[in-house]
Amino acid sequence: GAGVSQSPSNKVTEKGKDVELRCDPISGHTALYWYRQSLGQGLEFLIYFQGNSAPDKSGLPSDRFSAERTGGSVSTLTIQRTQQEDSAVYLCASSLNRRDYGYTFGSGTRLTVV
Amino acid sequence: GDSVTQMEGPVTLSEEAFLTINCTYTATGYPSLFWYVQYPGEGLQLLLKATKADDKGSNKGFEATYRKETTSFHLEKGSVQVSDSAVYFCALPLGDKIIFGKGTRLHILP
Repeated sequence: GAGVSQSPSNKVTEKGKDVELRCDPISGHTALYWYRQSLGQGLEFLIYFQGNSAPDKSGLPSDRFSAERTGGSVSTLTIQRTQQEDSAVYLCASSLNRRDYGYTFGSGTRLTVV
Repeated sequence: GDSVTQMEGPVTLSEEAFLTINCTYTATGYPSLFWYVQYPGEGLQLLLKATKADDKGSNKGFEATYRKETTSFHLEKGSVQVSDSAVYFCALPLGDKIIFGKGTRLHILP
């Protein structure tokens, strides 16, 4: 597509529920990144994919967080048993390859856990 | 470890004022340095970059010079406009990903 598309744009969920966030990167971009943006915390790296594999999962905050990427394209970030501290904007970015730092970001998914 | 530190915001200026947003970094070697911008309701986008010491990146009237002596990459603009109101992030690569500063929110008053 023309840009990085994320859905939903907003999600309100009850504490303890599972959520899935979707990212559709730019066609042909092999690298895909997930970040979390919290008030006062800046951008926190979560995970990165090169193709369908995830060489760096170092930023996932707990085992409640997981992500997958299929067909070298769409990625899904799943948060199980959501907690209030998971409330944040989740950003996805893609780039041509893993050392091309000119990322294109989506507009994000604002997650609110109540 | 490698990191970037940028000035706390928000920064509020009048239109046509001179802007400086400070950024310093800690890194092994001399990595590329970046400024990203996030306009209201939009995703982050790359504003400018510098790939080696003494390089100057520039775009949309913004400039930043990679200074290895002071490990800095300050963002400057000579005359800001209301449309420059946004959040600005200093960043550097760490392996296969970018790490970002906490961001500086800029408000420009007409």
